[in-house]
Amino acid sequence: GESVGLHLPTLSVQEGDNSIINCAYSNSASDYFIWYKQESGKGPQFIIDIRSNMDKRQGQRVTVLLNKTVKHLSLQIAATQPGDSAVYFCAENTITGNQFYFGTGTSLTVIP
Amino acid sequence: EAQVTQNPRYLITVTGKKLTVTCSQNMNHEYMSWYRQDPGLGLRQIYYSMNVEVTDKGDVPEGYKVSRKEKRNFPLILESPSPNQTSLYFCASGRAGDTQYFGPGTRLTVL
Repeated sequence: GESVGLHLPTLSVQEGDNSIINCAYSNSASDYFIWYKQESGKGPQFIIDIRSNMDKRQGQRVTVLLNKTVKHLSLQIAATQPGDSAVYFCAENTITGNQFYFGTGTSLTVIP
Repeated sequence: EAQVTQNPRYLITVTGKKLTVTCSQNMNHEYMSWYRQDPGLGLRQIYYSMNVEVTDKGDVPEGYKVSRKEKRNFPLILESPSPNQTSLYFCASGRAGDTQYFGPGTRLTVL
């Protein structure tokens, strides 16, 4: 099956700094990518998504970058806040739209 | 309120005792799915359903069954649970080809 992985399992940042979380995917045919945030004791929560016809998409304080050449996805969080502390997952959707593949997650800790 | 609900939230059972975890969504989504989450392995898809009466295996379907008789419900059935099915389970729903919305999770322990 597909492989979606993360470069770093943990990330610590100072409050107010920008955070960058990376993700690699292996299936060049995938055309839809999603970032989720999971807080302790809760289900994953949608943050932002991007389709393969784009290379950048911005939301409120978050930006997702897609580099299809090297099959790399990143999530940038601007002015990181303590409430951003969570585990972040990237997910990849097959071109048929049926199956989703998740990375193992990066734990983000924001230091006040 | 738009949501995905799961019941029970916590369950401790014994090997071989059949159980069902229910999942319901009120967003009229065609797509529903079940995942298990284990430390170091992330979320792995068990089964998914593209619509009523249409279900397919995900990456880790062994030991699980599902049914989709109504659009809003997608129960996960463990006919004969084993300790290696101890995990955190999530149900999700969404429009086909779009993001999914997750339930709060069911923590299952099989003794």
